[in-house]
Amino acid sequence: GQNIDQPTEMTATEGAIVQINCTYQTSGFNGLFWYQQHAGEAPTFLSYNVLDGLEEKGRFSSFLSRSKGYSYLLLKELQMKDSASYLCAVIAYNTDKLIFGTGTRLQVFP
Amino acid sequence: GAGVSQSPRYKVAKRGQDVALRCDPISGHVSLFWYQQALGQGPEFLTYFQNEAQLDKSGLPSDRFFAERPEGSVSTLKIQRTQQEDSAVYLCASSFDRERGYTFGSGTRLTVV
Repeated sequence: GQNIDQPTEMTATEGAIVQINCTYQTSGFNGLFWYQQHAGEAPTFLSYNVLDGLEEKGRFSSFLSRSKGYSYLLLKELQMKDSASYLCAVIAYNTDKLIFGTGTRLQVFP
Repeated sequence: GAGVSQSPRYKVAKRGQDVALRCDPISGHVSLFWYQQALGQGPEFLTYFQNEAQLDKSGLPSDRFFAERPEGSVSTLKIQRTQQEDSAVYLCASSFDRERGYTFGSGTRLTVV
Protein backbone atom coordinates (compact mmCIF):
# COMPACT_ATOMS: atom_id res chain seq x y z
CA GLY A 1 0.00 0.00 0.00
CA GLN A 2 0.90 3.66 -0.03
CA ASN A 3 1.40 5.67 3.13
CA ILE A 4 2.72 9.20 3.50
CA ASP A 5 2.99 10.81 6.93
CA GLN A 6 3.59 14.41 7.87
CA PRO A 7 2.65 16.46 10.95
CA THR A 8 -0.79 18.01 10.84
CA GLU A 9 0.12 21.43 12.19
CA MET A 10 3.20 23.48 13.07
CA THR A 11 3.75 26.97 14.34
CA ALA A 12 6.80 29.20 14.07
CA THR A 13 7.89 32.80 14.53
CA GLU A 14 8.65 35.29 11.79
CA GLY A 15 12.37 35.21 10.92
CA ALA A 16 12.89 31.72 12.33
CA ILE A 17 13.67 28.41 10.61
CA VAL A 18 11.21 25.52 10.44
CA GLN A 19 11.63 21.93 9.24
CA ILE A 20 8.62 19.96 8.01
CA ASN A 21 9.19 16.21 7.92
CA CYS A 22 7.64 13.63 5.62
CA THR A 23 8.00 9.85 5.77
CA TYR A 24 6.68 7.56 3.08
CA GLN A 25 6.09 3.89 2.35
CA THR A 26 5.16 3.30 -1.27
CA SER A 27 5.32 0.62 -3.93
CA GLY A 28 8.63 1.73 -5.36
CA PHE A 29 9.76 5.32 -5.71
CA ASN A 30 10.09 7.68 -8.65
CA GLY A 31 10.47 11.03 -6.93
CA LEU A 32 9.12 13.26 -4.18
CA PHE A 33 7.50 16.68 -4.49
CA TRP A 34 6.77 19.48 -2.06
CA TYR A 35 3.90 21.84 -2.78
CA GLN A 36 2.68 24.97 -1.00
CA GLN A 37 -1.05 25.62 -0.80
CA HIS A 38 -2.64 28.79 0.56
CA ALA A 39 -6.25 28.46 1.69
CA GLY A 40 -8.62 28.39 -1.28
CA GLU A 41 -5.82 28.38 -3.83
CA ALA A 42 -4.06 25.91 -6.09
CA PRO A 43 -1.06 23.96 -4.81
CA THR A 44 2.13 25.53 -6.19
CA PHE A 45 5.34 23.64 -6.89
CA LEU A 46 8.24 24.09 -4.48
CA SER A 47 10.68 21.23 -5.10
CA TYR A 48 11.29 17.85 -6.71
CA ASN A 49 13.80 15.34 -5.33
CA VAL A 50 14.62 12.05 -7.00
CA LEU A 51 18.18 11.52 -5.72
CA ASP A 52 19.42 11.55 -2.12
CA GLY A 53 20.66 14.82 -0.73
CA LEU A 54 19.77 18.44 -0.24
CA GLU A 55 18.34 20.73 -2.90
CA GLU A 56 18.48 24.43 -2.06
CA LYS A 57 16.30 27.04 -3.70
CA GLY A 58 16.44 30.45 -2.06
CA ARG A 59 14.81 30.36 1.38
CA PHE A 60 13.49 26.84 0.78
CA SER A 61 15.50 23.60 0.82
CA SER A 62 14.37 20.01 0.47
CA PHE A 63 16.18 16.87 1.57
CA LEU A 64 15.65 13.26 0.56
CA SER A 65 16.88 9.93 1.94
CA ARG A 66 15.49 7.09 -0.16
CA SER A 67 16.89 4.36 2.10
CA LYS A 68 15.00 5.84 5.06
CA GLY A 69 11.86 6.80 3.15
CA TYR A 70 12.28 10.30 4.54
CA SER A 71 12.22 13.87 3.31
CA TYR A 72 12.08 17.28 4.88
CA LEU A 73 11.33 20.80 3.72
CA LEU A 74 13.36 23.53 5.39
CA LEU A 75 12.07 27.09 5.38
CA LYS A 76 14.47 29.84 6.46
CA GLU A 77 13.87 33.47 7.38
CA LEU A 78 10.17 32.82 7.77
CA GLN A 79 7.75 35.47 6.58
CA MET A 80 4.08 35.90 7.39
CA LYS A 81 3.20 34.96 3.81
CA ASP A 82 4.71 31.50 4.43
CA SER A 83 1.62 30.65 6.49
CA ALA A 84 0.09 27.91 4.34
CA SER A 85 -0.28 24.16 4.01
CA TYR A 86 2.75 22.23 2.81
CA LEU A 87 2.02 19.04 0.90
CA CYS A 88 4.44 16.13 0.50
CA ALA A 89 3.72 13.92 -2.52
CA VAL A 90 5.41 10.81 -3.88
CA ILE A 91 5.39 9.22 -7.32
CA ALA A 92 5.31 5.46 -6.93
CA TYR A 93 7.01 3.09 -9.35
CA ASN A 94 5.67 2.73 -12.88
CA THR A 95 3.15 5.55 -12.64
CA ASP A 96 3.00 9.31 -13.05
CA LYS A 97 0.36 9.98 -10.42
CA LEU A 98 1.20 11.93 -7.27
CA ILE A 99 0.22 10.40 -3.94
CA PHE A 100 -0.21 13.12 -1.34
CA GLY A 101 0.12 13.22 2.40
CA THR A 102 -2.53 15.05 4.41
CA GLY A 103 -0.47 18.25 4.43
CA THR A 104 1.13 20.27 7.22
CA ARG A 105 -0.57 23.51 8.12
CA LEU A 106 2.10 26.05 9.09
CA GLN A 107 1.20 29.20 10.98
CA VAL A 108 3.80 31.95 11.21
CA PHE A 109 3.38 34.44 14.06
CA PRO A 110 4.95 37.89 14.35
CA GLY B 1 -3.10 29.74 -21.75
CA ALA B 2 -0.44 30.41 -19.15
CA GLY B 3 -1.92 28.16 -16.48
CA VAL B 4 -4.42 25.39 -15.85
CA SER B 5 -7.94 26.77 -16.00
CA GLN B 6 -10.91 25.16 -14.26
CA SER B 7 -14.57 26.05 -14.48
CA PRO B 8 -16.83 26.69 -12.79
CA ARG B 9 -14.94 28.05 -9.80
CA TYR B 10 -17.88 27.26 -7.52
CA LYS B 11 -20.81 24.92 -8.04
CA VAL B 12 -23.80 24.30 -5.80
CA ALA B 13 -25.80 21.23 -6.74
CA LYS B 14 -28.93 19.73 -5.27
CA ARG B 15 -28.57 16.15 -4.18
CA GLY B 16 -29.30 13.88 -7.12
CA GLN B 17 -28.30 16.46 -9.74
CA ASP B 18 -25.64 15.72 -12.37
CA VAL B 19 -22.63 18.06 -12.63
CA ALA B 20 -19.82 18.55 -15.14
CA LEU B 21 -16.49 20.11 -14.20
CA ARG B 22 -14.14 21.37 -16.88
CA CYS B 23 -10.35 21.53 -17.00
CA ASP B 24 -8.26 23.36 -19.62
CA PRO B 25 -4.67 22.19 -19.22
CA ILE B 26 -1.55 24.06 -20.29
CA SER B 27 -1.15 23.77 -24.04
CA GLY B 28 1.14 20.88 -24.97
CA HIS B 29 0.92 19.14 -21.63
CA VAL B 30 0.56 15.44 -22.26
CA SER B 31 -0.62 14.28 -18.84
CA LEU B 32 -3.75 15.45 -17.04
CA PHE B 33 -4.81 14.49 -13.53
CA TRP B 34 -7.95 14.90 -11.43
CA TYR B 35 -7.83 15.07 -7.64
CA GLN B 36 -10.46 15.46 -4.93
CA GLN B 37 -9.56 17.51 -1.87
CA ALA B 38 -11.65 17.54 1.29
CA LEU B 39 -11.28 20.40 3.75
CA GLY B 40 -8.04 20.14 5.72
CA GLN B 41 -6.82 17.12 3.78
CA GLY B 42 -4.33 16.48 1.02
CA PRO B 43 -5.55 15.90 -2.54
CA GLU B 44 -6.75 12.36 -3.27
CA PHE B 45 -6.05 10.92 -6.73
CA LEU B 46 -9.07 10.22 -8.91
CA THR B 47 -7.87 9.54 -12.45
CA TYR B 48 -5.31 10.50 -15.06
CA PHE B 49 -4.87 10.73 -18.81
CA GLN B 50 -1.95 10.63 -21.14
CA ASN B 51 -3.21 12.48 -24.20
CA GLU B 52 -6.71 11.03 -24.75
CA ALA B 53 -6.00 7.70 -23.08
CA GLN B 54 -7.27 7.22 -19.55
CA LEU B 55 -4.39 5.27 -17.99
CA ASP B 56 -5.61 4.98 -14.42
CA LYS B 57 -9.07 5.49 -12.96
CA SER B 58 -8.49 3.55 -9.76
CA GLY B 59 -9.27 6.56 -7.57
CA LEU B 60 -12.79 7.21 -8.85
CA PRO B 61 -14.94 6.56 -5.76
CA SER B 62 -17.94 5.06 -7.56
CA ASP B 63 -19.45 4.47 -10.98
CA ARG B 64 -21.21 7.81 -10.62
CA PHE B 65 -17.88 9.46 -11.47
CA PHE B 66 -16.75 9.59 -15.07
CA ALA B 67 -13.92 11.50 -16.77
CA GLU B 68 -13.06 12.03 -20.39
CA ARG B 69 -10.48 13.83 -22.52
CA PRO B 70 -11.64 13.05 -26.05
CA GLU B 71 -9.14 15.15 -28.02
CA GLY B 72 -6.23 15.01 -25.64
CA SER B 73 -6.60 18.56 -24.35
CA VAL B 74 -9.70 19.71 -22.42
CA SER B 75 -11.03 17.25 -19.86
CA THR B 76 -14.41 16.94 -18.17
CA LEU B 77 -15.15 15.24 -14.87
CA LYS B 78 -18.80 14.28 -14.60
CA ILE B 79 -20.54 13.28 -11.41
CA GLN B 80 -23.98 11.75 -11.73
CA ARG B 81 -26.67 11.78 -9.02
CA THR B 82 -24.53 13.86 -6.66
CA GLN B 83 -24.46 12.98 -2.97
CA GLN B 84 -23.48 15.13 0.01
CA GLU B 85 -20.23 13.21 0.41
CA ASP B 86 -19.21 14.44 -3.05
CA SER B 87 -18.81 17.96 -1.61
CA ALA B 88 -15.13 18.84 -2.00
CA VAL B 89 -12.69 20.82 -4.11
CA TYR B 90 -11.90 19.11 -7.39
CA LEU B 91 -8.40 19.92 -8.62
CA CYS B 92 -7.01 19.40 -12.08
CA ALA B 93 -3.28 19.27 -12.83
CA SER B 94 -1.31 18.92 -16.03
CA SER B 95 2.31 18.17 -16.85
CA PHE B 96 4.64 17.72 -19.79
CA ASP B 97 6.86 15.38 -17.84
CA ARG B 98 7.44 14.81 -14.13
CA GLU B 99 10.83 16.48 -14.07
CA ARG B 100 9.20 19.77 -15.04
CA GLY B 101 6.56 19.40 -12.37
CA TYR B 102 2.81 19.33 -12.23
CA THR B 103 0.80 22.56 -12.51
CA PHE B 104 -2.49 22.71 -10.66
CA GLY B 105 -5.59 24.72 -11.41
CA SER B 106 -7.42 26.65 -8.70
CA GLY B 107 -10.07 23.96 -8.50
CA THR B 108 -13.85 23.75 -8.53
CA ARG B 109 -15.48 23.88 -5.11
CA LEU B 110 -18.54 21.62 -5.28
CA THR B 111 -21.17 21.87 -2.58
CA VAL B 112 -24.04 19.37 -2.64
CA VAL B 113 -27.09 20.49 -0.67
